[in-house]
Amino acid sequence: EAGVTQFPSHSVIEKGQTVTLRCDPISGHDNLYWYRRVMGKEIKFLLHFVKESKQDESGMPNNRFLAERTGGTYSTLKVQPAELEDSGVYFCASSSRQGALNTEAFFGQGTRLTVV
Amino acid sequence: KQEVTQIPAALSVPEGENLVLNCSFTDSAIYNLQWFRQDPGKGLTSLLLIQSSQREQTSGRLNASLDKSSGRSTLYIAASQPGDSATYLCAVATGGFKTIFGAGTRLFVKA
Repeated sequence: EAGVTQFPSHSVIEKGQTVTLRCDPISGHDNLYWYRRVMGKEIKFLLHFVKESKQDESGMPNNRFLAERTGGTYSTLKVQPAELEDSGVYFCASSSRQGALNTEAFFGQGTRLTVV
Repeated sequence: KQEVTQIPAALSVPEGENLVLNCSFTDSAIYNLQWFRQDPGKGLTSLLLIQSSQREQTSGRLNASLDKSSGRSTLYIAASQPGDSATYLCAVATGGFKTIFGAGTRLFVKA
């Protein structure tokens, strides 16, 4: 069974450009999460989807970030326009849902974003 | 607000040594705790998952314990090897399915 996959693995863009990151969760996982790690800091939660609905987007830094999960399958995270401080590694994770029990989250390999 | 702290921030040990990595969290209301490994430039590899009702989990040379009441977890690595060199992350899952990460412990095992 395929794990969580993220595209691209690396992206280098200029300040002011737009970048779209993609995450394909494990098939059948309703929960999908985005996290990011900026230089020297902890991995921080960005948002959580349950199927196609945003359950919690309290970690989104500002309105330059837009996440979507149309159809409840893969998700995209768009940064527009990108700023230097957006550089970091963006992780996606997915988990199944068993009532109220929080099951194990499986993480992708991450997308390393560099804004120059 | 849940906060996760890992001590030490960095650790260098000779090959073969047994070692303990520490993790503490401020809110005991967690669903589970995971230990991850991250190699430079790579993604996260889940090592051990401990549900809130469990006290410990073991996998090979790794043993993780959880004491929810005191807000602590330890990752024990037996007979360390150079291939164990990586950053080890502790993460707790809270209500709302959010995972809170510690800053990690950078481990270097010298051959």
